[in-house]
Amino acid sequence: DAGVTQSPTHLIKTRGQQVTLRCSPKSGHDTVSWYQQALGQGPQFIFQYYEEEERQRGNFPDRFSGHQFPNYSSELNVNALLLGDSALYLCASSTTGAGNTIYFGEGSWLTVV
Amino acid sequence: QQQVKQSPQSLIVQKGGISIINCAYENTAFDYFPWYQQFPGKGPALLIAIRPDVSEKKEGRFTISFNKSAKQFSLHIMDSQPGDSATYFCAASTTDSWGKLQFGAGTQVVVTP
Repeated sequence: DAGVTQSPTHLIKTRGQQVTLRCSPKSGHDTVSWYQQALGQGPQFIFQYYEEEERQRGNFPDRFSGHQFPNYSSELNVNALLLGDSALYLCASSTTGAGNTIYFGEGSWLTVV
Repeated sequence: QQQVKQSPQSLIVQKGGISIINCAYENTAFDYFPWYQQFPGKGPALLIAIRPDVSEKKEGRFTISFNKSAKQFSLHIMDSQPGDSATYFCAASTTDSWGKLQFGAGTQVVVTP
């Protein structure tokens, strides 16, 4: 049973460009959340998707947007990249409902130069 | 502002010793307190979690102690092993905002042989 899978693993972008990161949730999971983890810090919640809609959002600008597809997979898009967007982007999945374990993928390392 | 404060930032413990990591929170609506373990290049993995209706939970060598009145909780790693060397994050969430985890800044634990 595959866990949460993310792609790409690493990527380098230039300031001002746009990036799309992808996530496939663990089998049977319908809720996907995205986190940003800067070097040496704890993950910060970006937003959460359920039934193809954004259900919760953290304190991130509108440059950060997402999408969830009918098969529950998800994309994170970041526009107008800044140097400060360089971080590990983590996808987490769970089944909806409080108390269900939240599983994380291994992340996508984004470097903005 | 950081809703969950974690200390120490790092600690070194000898094999067989006890590692203790502390976290404090302000939001009394938090009702779920997990600890995650993260190895370099990997995503966070759930270690153990507690709800505020119990004061202690033990799973193998890992114990969470919870003090609701002080709004503090801690992780104890008994009989620490070199394989426990990792970064540990405490986190908190509410039932109403399930999946939106507020993480501490992390503690890097090094277990020496």
